[in-house]
Formats: sequence, C-alpha cells, structure tokens
Amino acid sequence: GDSVTQMEGPVTLSEEAFLTINCTYTATGYPSLFWYVQYPGEGLQLLLKATKADDKGSNKGFEATYRKETTSFHLEKGSVQVSDSAVYFCALSEGQAGTALIFGKGTTLSVSS
Amino acid sequence: EAGVAQSPRYKIIEKRQSVAFWCNPISGHATLYWYQQILGQGPKLLIQFQNNGVVDDSQLPKDRFSAERLKGVDSTLKIQPAKLEDSAVYLCASTGVGGAINTGELFFGEGSRLTVL
Repeated sequence: GDSVTQMEGPVTLSEEAFLTINCTYTATGYPSLFWYVQYPGEGLQLLLKATKADDKGSNKGFEATYRKETTSFHLEKGSVQVSDSAVYFCALSEGQAGTALIFGKGTTLSVSS
Repeated sequence: EAGVAQSPRYKIIEKRQSVAFWCNPISGHATLYWYQQILGQGPKLLIQFQNNGVVDDSQLPKDRFSAERLKGVDSTLKIQPAKLEDSAVYLCASTGVGGAINTGELFFGEGSRLTVL
C-alpha cells in the first residue's frame, strides 16, 4: 500500500542554518503531497502542498518540490529561526478529493539561538 | 472561524476501562476523520465519515473501538475495554467546502491524549 518515509530525527540546528528534511513516498498512482507542522502544544496544520509532478509548494520560507522521478518531496528552508522548532510530517493523499492522508513518522526540528 | 474542537484534552484510565472522545468539526465540513497518533509515530487513520456514513474503517480495531456521527456533525470515538497499547493522542480532523476539499487539506483539532495504566 501507499506509504511515506521521512528522515529520522531529531534535527538540531543553529539559527540561520539551512534545513533539509527528506521525504520519499510509495504510491500506486499520482498522489497529492503535503507537509504538515505541529508546533508545541498545538494541533497539526498544513505548511505547504503540491498536487502534481514538478509543482513547488511554498509557505513561510519553506519550500518543497514534487519529484515524480525520485518519488520525493523534500522540505527545505534557507535560514531557520527558533520559532521553526516543531515536528514536521510529510503526507500523501491519493484518489478523489477528501481521501484520508497517509503520514510519515514525523521529524522533530530544534533550532537554537 | 472556529476550528475543530475536541474534548477531553487529557484522560488517564486503567486498562479494561472505557473512554469516549468527542469531536466537533468546522461548521459545514462534511468529511470527518479520527486518527491515532502513538508517541514517536505519525498519525494513523482509524475511521473516516462522509456526513453520517462511514467511508473507511478498515484500520479501526472493531473489537474494542467504535465511532459514530449520528447527525452528520459531531462525532464520538469510544474505546472499550482499553488496553495499554491504546495510549496515544486521538486526533480529529475535518474537511469540506471550497478549495480545501479539492486540495486535500485537512483541519486538525488539538487532540485528546489518552494514557492507559
């Protein structure tokens, strides 16, 4: 079945460092891909998304490009801030709109000043 | 716009006891999901409703878990009897009108944390 694999955490960075969190997926068709973020004490919220190959999702300085040839959707940010400390989840959704998301295990990011 | 509401936020019970969690989705959202998030893992779908009908409950342990959405709005997830391995955060999410349903975005509540002793 469909699945999502994320790099193991935790990821510990200094402020202004470059961030990459790897995500690869397995799917039978052409899924939509998502990054969700969970800040401490808060619920999961959508960070960015891409619905077809070569699309780039972006939000709050974060970017991810849907790479069909490598089945990847890596999350990047050029300069992280302390406020980016959170757990990041890669997810996919295949099929018609409203189909449930399949999540990766999550990657914890800790940014120090 | 009010978000997805869940209660209780925290619950501690002994094994073999029962527990119920409540979810009120965003107004107008027809689709509601319950996910289980065990510590260190990603959320796993338990059940998906479309209005008051079940779309997918293939991963719901039906011998102990049940869920209902009688009027197509609020939903309740029940566990009876609870086991130690049920300790997790239970997340409710919804989606529905407008662009969100077409993009696949789900809106999550803050979750209900269950500890089974």
